[in-house]
Amino acid sequence: EAQVTQNPRYLITVTGKKLTVTCSQNMNHEYMSWYRQDPGLGLRQIYYSMNVEVTDKGDVPEGYKVSRKEKRNFPLILESPSPNQTSLYFCASSFVGQGRKDTQYFGPGTRLTVL
Amino acid sequence: GIQVEQSPPDLILQEGANSTLRCNFSDSVNNLQWFHQNPWGQLINLFYIPSGTKQNGRLSATTVATERYSLLYISSSQTTDSGVYFCAVGETSGSRLTFGEGTQLTVNP
Repeated sequence: EAQVTQNPRYLITVTGKKLTVTCSQNMNHEYMSWYRQDPGLGLRQIYYSMNVEVTDKGDVPEGYKVSRKEKRNFPLILESPSPNQTSLYFCASSFVGQGRKDTQYFGPGTRLTVL
Repeated sequence: GIQVEQSPPDLILQEGANSTLRCNFSDSVNNLQWFHQNPWGQLINLFYIPSGTKQNGRLSATTVATERYSLLYISSSQTTDSGVYFCAVGETSGSRLTFGEGTQLTVNP
């Protein structure tokens, strides 16, 4: 089944404790992206990647890191989480430049709480 | 960056009614998508529609790129249509996507 998976789905942590949220897709998509969703602010893009070893900042990259060492994986790293990073995080993927196949597919979301 | 405005912010319908959701954007785009977020938080792509008109069952969408707006039509609404509808635009294929704040749709039985 074609899908985007994220782990963990729920996480409660404390300020300053490094964490990684994993994202994996099995559709051979070149493009992957991370978003955060906050009440009243909608979805905002954190980072995106056009292909392996190619990443770029979105609208709200501060406090986050990403890497794209393999095509299927795009982990989101919070080196020193803070309470303002409490949010619902989504990973997404798509093909690039193929018309209808540019459709983005979203993972199920990771609800992160930083105390 | 591109600004995206969706209207109305909230919409309440009776089952069976039709509705039109609007998305205005501030600059030229090559990528426009409509998404539905169901009450469980899942985001589902409805249409990839940077221009033209598409239909999928009771849903259809039209984008007039030259006038910088897109419309999502929902006909014969059902309670399962409830949720938030997002419009997202990008300047090029596969690049940064900017989301609107969404339209919260509630369909009552």
